[in-house]
Amino acid sequence: RKEVEQDPGPFNVPEGATVAFNCTYSNSASQSFFWYRQDCRKEPKLLMSVYSSGNEDGRFTAQLNRASQYISLLIRDSKLSDSATYLCVVGFSSGSARQLTFGSGTQLTVLP
Amino acid sequence: GAVVSQHPSRVICKSGTSVKIECRSLDFQATTMFWYRQFPKQSLMLMATSNEGSKATYEQGVEKDKFLINHASLTLSTLTVTSAHPEDSSFYICSARVAGGTDTQYFGPGTRLTVL
Repeated sequence: RKEVEQDPGPFNVPEGATVAFNCTYSNSASQSFFWYRQDCRKEPKLLMSVYSSGNEDGRFTAQLNRASQYISLLIRDSKLSDSATYLCVVGFSSGSARQLTFGSGTQLTVLP
Repeated sequence: GAVVSQHPSRVICKSGTSVKIECRSLDFQATTMFWYRQFPKQSLMLMATSNEGSKATYEQGVEKDKFLINHASLTLSTLTVTSAHPEDSSFYICSARVAGGTDTQYFGPGTRLTVL
């Protein structure tokens, strides 16, 4: 079983649509949670951190359910520029090091 | 802020040669840097954690003698792929965490290595 699992997609949605991505993680000791976006052949860029109370940043809303070990990302009023791969990322401590584990990503294409 | 650079961005080399990739934190100090590898349509896989002034910690299955890591200063870590082979062709990405900061990692733009 993968440590961080995501639906790979692809999700093809029209402009203006609302789209939701889900992610589950297996390490119950995970301490920090993020969504990154990665454009084709580029490095990942932090989209937002995810907090237990849920948090919103403009059109993006992230939710965390620690009991179910589940993270979600909701994108409202999607734009063409939202087309990318969205990576669910979980942080944990391994010995004295704090590491991130990446999901395989969910591919989103927003269509005109 | 929190900019990480990587050099070179792309390298093509012959099998058997060694390739050095540099990762620099430009506007912050990074006591810890990370090296990842990403094959097409796959996730980032952590190769090693690089700590300034000490030996790197390698993930299981990553050969430390093949992937040499040096983290000589708070702003520079290098990865040397020794005796590169075609199966080492991949996208190598470094990241850095702000000293004393959160778990957030800031990524370099990556180096695309092609071994002929």
